Amino acid sequence: EAGVAQSPRYKIIEKRQSVAFWCNPISGHATLYWYQQILGQGPKLLIQFQNNGVVDDSQLPKDRFSAERLKGVDSTLKIQPAKLEDSAVYLCASSFSHEQYFGPGTRLTVT
Amino acid sequence: GENVEQHPSTLSVQEGDSAVIKCTYSDSASNYFPWYKQELGKRPQLIIDIRSNVGEKKDQRIAVTLNKTAKHFSLHITETQPEDSAVYFCAARRSNDYKLSFGAGTTVTVRA
Repeated sequence: EAGVAQSPRYKIIEKRQSVAFWCNPISGHATLYWYQQILGQGPKLLIQFQNNGVVDDSQLPKDRFSAERLKGVDSTLKIQPAKLEDSAVYLCASSFSHEQYFGPGTRLTVT
Repeated sequence: GENVEQHPSTLSVQEGDSAVIKCTYSDSASNYFPWYKQELGKRPQLIIDIRSNVGEKKDQRIAVTLNKTAKHFSLHITETQPEDSAVYFCAARRSNDYKLSFGAGTTVTVRA
């Protein structure tokens, strides 16, 4: 089966600019997750969707981060404006039951 | 919320030896414990998982043990090979909200 797709793979922006990431989960997976992975750390959950509804966004910095999952399939994560500390790999994952499948991630560098 | 601690942060072993990584969790409501392997520049991939109703699970050279009373679980890799070199993450998922919390990771290096 096709895996979780993400784009772009790499992005370099200046601080205060905006950026958007896209994720296409595995077909049929109702649950979609966005994680932030800072270098040398484990992934940290930013937001979790069940179909097109938000289940958990308690760790999403809502003053600058937003995410949506229209029609319960693809999802976008946006950062506006970006800060230096947002430099990280942004991982998207999806699941049907308990196992989460990760995408390749988007490596964001904020200069 | 759940807090997962993982030790050691780095581990170097001779090829053929065993590697053990230990994790502790704080929330007794956690009932699912996966382990992920992440090679440099690649996505995390599930290598083994265990549910709270099981004490041990094996898959070829990999095994995981769980002690619910002490709230800790461990990954055991036997007969290590160079391709086992990677960062390994443990995680714990709470039964009430299915939120997965990750440890900080262990960088395993297998010396030939």
